[in-house]
Amino acid sequence: ILNVEQSPQSLHVQEGDSTNFTCSFPSSNFYALHWYRWETAKSPEALFVMTLNGDEKKKGRISATLNTKEGYSYLYIKGSQPEDSATYLCAFISDSWGKLQFGAGTQVVVTP
Amino acid sequence: NAGVTQTPKFQVLKTGQSMTLQCAQDMNHEYMSWYRQDPGMGLRLIHYSVGAGITDQGEVPNGYNVSRSTTEDFPLRLLSAAPSQTSVYFCASRSRAGSYSNQPQHFGDGTRLSIL
Repeated sequence: ILNVEQSPQSLHVQEGDSTNFTCSFPSSNFYALHWYRWETAKSPEALFVMTLNGDEKKKGRISATLNTKEGYSYLYIKGSQPEDSATYLCAFISDSWGKLQFGAGTQVVVTP
Repeated sequence: NAGVTQTPKFQVLKTGQSMTLQCAQDMNHEYMSWYRQDPGMGLRLIHYSVGAGITDQGEVPNGYNVSRSTTEDFPLRLLSAAPSQTSVYFCASRSRAGSYSNQPQHFGDGTRLSIL
């Protein structure tokens, strides 16, 4: 049973369109929420580390928001490009040792 | 610019065999961990270490052993391989600067392990 849920499991986006998807986590014992981008045949790479309720982070066309009171984070991709195709993982930390609990990921496919 | 290095990249074992997956990092990171990745399950934590000489169990530790004799190395041992351990294994590390929670994790390229 995954405490961290990501939805949808997958989505197809036309090049140029914007999209967003969700990471849900328990609202108690919150320490941090991480987002990682995982391209096929590569290893996951860190996108954002979010620690405060209301945090908003941005890297290029990708941004993320955090609501720790209700237990969710959104990841947004603006003007999707084929190179944005990847699986996006979120991971929740609920203890001081920093153990990451990963969701199963949202697979994004951007078609030209 | 090595980062986290895992060896081997691929391995096929027979049931009952033992082997060690190697992981080394050159970033002087205190925190190291091992995950397995199975379809639909996300990355699941096997064991982790917060420094040399300190290890602890994660979510799915059974059948695996770890040790951390140096900051750089964190090998994962399969004691007696079983088909259920067929998976892709990732080693990761991160700094403790500030706290364990707010540092991004760096992953190795993974080891694809098949147990026949």
